[in-house]
Amino acid sequence: EVQLVESGGGLVQPGRSLRLSCAASGFTFDDYAMHWVRQAPGKGLEWVSGISWNSGSIGYTDSVKGRFTISRDSAKNSLYLQMNSLRAEDTALYYCAKAPTYSSNLPYFDYWGQGSLVTVSS
Amino acid sequence: EIVLTQSPGTLSLSPGERATLSCRASQSVSSSYLAWYQQKPGQAPRLLIYGASSRATGIPDRFSGSGSGTDFTLTISRLEPEDFAVYYCQQYGSSPNTFGGGTKVEIK
Repeated sequence: EVQLVESGGGLVQPGRSLRLSCAASGFTFDDYAMHWVRQAPGKGLEWVSGISWNSGSIGYTDSVKGRFTISRDSAKNSLYLQMNSLRAEDTALYYCAKAPTYSSNLPYFDYWGQGSLVTVSS
Repeated sequence: EIVLTQSPGTLSLSPGERATLSCRASQSVSSSYLAWYQQKPGQAPRLLIYGASSRATGIPDRFSGSGSGTDFTLTISRLEPEDFAVYYCQQYGSSPNTFGGGTKVEIK
């Protein structure tokens, strides 16, 4: 059974940093691209970032470019999102999501975690 | 960036009725790379349909997707109590992939 478990969220002041983690199990982690998708409270879904199976291809939505960094560790079957210079508008539930292929390009998401809440507020 | 507009915003129906949800794109979606997700309160989204019309693993056949170009439809042939939820479309034919604003299917 595919499982994706996020952690690392919390309350943080504007301008500070936070690192999200996603522990994956139930599939061969190295074979698939992985992504982060967020959902602001009461709002819709927004793709944030994606990384290919071998970290060779990485992408970000424009609003987080230069502030967020996605990475993965095959030894730990884990996905990460380093978030710097956080803003109030980054407040959201952050989902870890698996793509059905190795490529991070043109993805849809066949499995999702339960999310990790990030609240940016002073 | 492709903008997806979902309609209606809310659909009020009774169990057993047919639900028809629309997703319209601001530009043609390449290769019908259009997915649909279901989200219930407090839960993560669940993939229903990909490639505009292919059902994901374990999805009942009362869910069907159709369309191409800029107009796509999700149809639920007979609503079951567990189908009342919010539904999102997503295009992944061009970068960045984008989601629609959602359609809430509520019990009438």
